[in-house]
Amino acid sequence: AQKITQTQPGMFVQEKEAVTLDCTYDTSDQSYGLFWYKQPSSGEMIFLIYQGSYDEQNATEGRYSLNFQKARKSANLVISASQLGDSAMYFCAMREGRYSSASKIIFGSGTRLSIRP
Amino acid sequence: GAVVSQHPSWVICKSGTSVKIECRSLDFQATTMFWYRQFPKQSLMLMATSNEGSKATYEQGVEKDKFLINHASLTLSTLTVTSAHPEDSSFYICSARVGAPMNTEAFFGQGTRLTVV
Repeated sequence: AQKITQTQPGMFVQEKEAVTLDCTYDTSDQSYGLFWYKQPSSGEMIFLIYQGSYDEQNATEGRYSLNFQKARKSANLVISASQLGDSAMYFCAMREGRYSSASKIIFGSGTRLSIRP
Repeated sequence: GAVVSQHPSWVICKSGTSVKIECRSLDFQATTMFWYRQFPKQSLMLMATSNEGSKATYEQGVEKDKFLINHASLTLSTLTVTSAHPEDSSFYICSARVGAPMNTEAFFGQGTRLTVV
């Protein structure tokens, strides 16, 4: 069963608009972590934001915020005031269980975001 | 953040030869590293968990005899693709975890683009 689901293969957004990238997850663990990574065409994985399952506040990092709805098991990424440099592939990921150096992180299928000038 | 260096960035090899990819944690010790494979326009698929001083743990469907992993020190893990074939052509990327819990938790190398001809 797929653990991380990203239903938007691709999105086009006008520059300066806000965009929401969807992510739902499936886990039976009470403790887990959710991530968003950006992958430009160069291939590097750029960490954007993290949300722990016990965090009461939605995570924010600059223009990025994570809309965490635990009951619905969703962790959508919101990018405010999009920029041309935001064009990239975006992956939602999850670490199941409590943090340990050996706990795996698994990725969703990704959303390709394209920003129009 | 912590730095993970992967080498080489790209490699072209002949079918039947072996290729070694290195993953180094430059400013921290990593008891565990993870190897992922990414086919074009697809997600990152976890191949194996590399454990310092012990055998790697492979994900289901990954041939351990084909993808040899060695984690001989706290800062270096290597992935050797043995008897490479064109279907092994892919983007391989490693990840390492910092010892103390941190929100980011996983740092990625730059990736290695392998082309088998």
